[in-house]
Amino acid sequence: DSGVTQTPKHLITATGQRVTLRCSPRSGDLSVYWYQQSLDQGLQFLIQYYNGEERAKGNILERFSAQQFPDLHSELNLSSLELGDSALYFCASSVGDRVIIGETQYFGPGTRLLVL
Amino acid sequence: GQQVMQIPQYQHVQEGEDFTTYCNSSTTLSNIQWYKQRPGGHPVFLIQLVKSGEVKKQKRLTFQFGEAKKNSSLHITATQTTDVGTYFCASTGANNLFFGTGTRLTVIP
Repeated sequence: DSGVTQTPKHLITATGQRVTLRCSPRSGDLSVYWYQQSLDQGLQFLIQYYNGEERAKGNILERFSAQQFPDLHSELNLSSLELGDSALYFCASSVGDRVIIGETQYFGPGTRLLVL
Repeated sequence: GQQVMQIPQYQHVQEGEDFTTYCNSSTTLSNIQWYKQRPGGHPVFLIQLVKSGEVKKQKRLTFQFGEAKKNSSLHITATQTTDVGTYFCASTGANNLFFGTGTRLTVIP
């Protein structure tokens, strides 16, 4: 158990819909990272927040957005969902903001999204 | 953009055999990280290498970073069934984190 929690575990929805994925970082961690893992694209970094502020942006679509709240939990919002958005979405956390240069990060169990 | 290519995609070994996965980049990498993901699980950080020619060991795992910082390898000696999973390399650059495609290791008892 990494200490990072994600809800829900599974999510099934229809194309065009909007969903929100939630992540709670490890106690004391200030950074939250979001990743998408799909069969054809592999593991892709989406976005990082540090202490409430966006710190780094990866391959995140405009239909996707995220935020980190004062209690440090984070939400990833996926809108106008398409079939290709079906994937495993991981959240990770770290103490500081330097994973982009190699700080250890701890992954949550993931949310499996299926868009029908 | 920056890409990290990883080979092989799949590897089946008999328990007790050695295993190696390789990551290659056309550009110089600032660092290389290795992760393991068990089937149905989440990625787990294994190690980070930063220096040219760096070699680090964790029990039966040996990690190397090339002299030119364009390639890296993970070698497992005498594989065990607990080693099954997908091994990913990753590197950072341009405020982004790039993952290799992973090598899925199957260990046959």
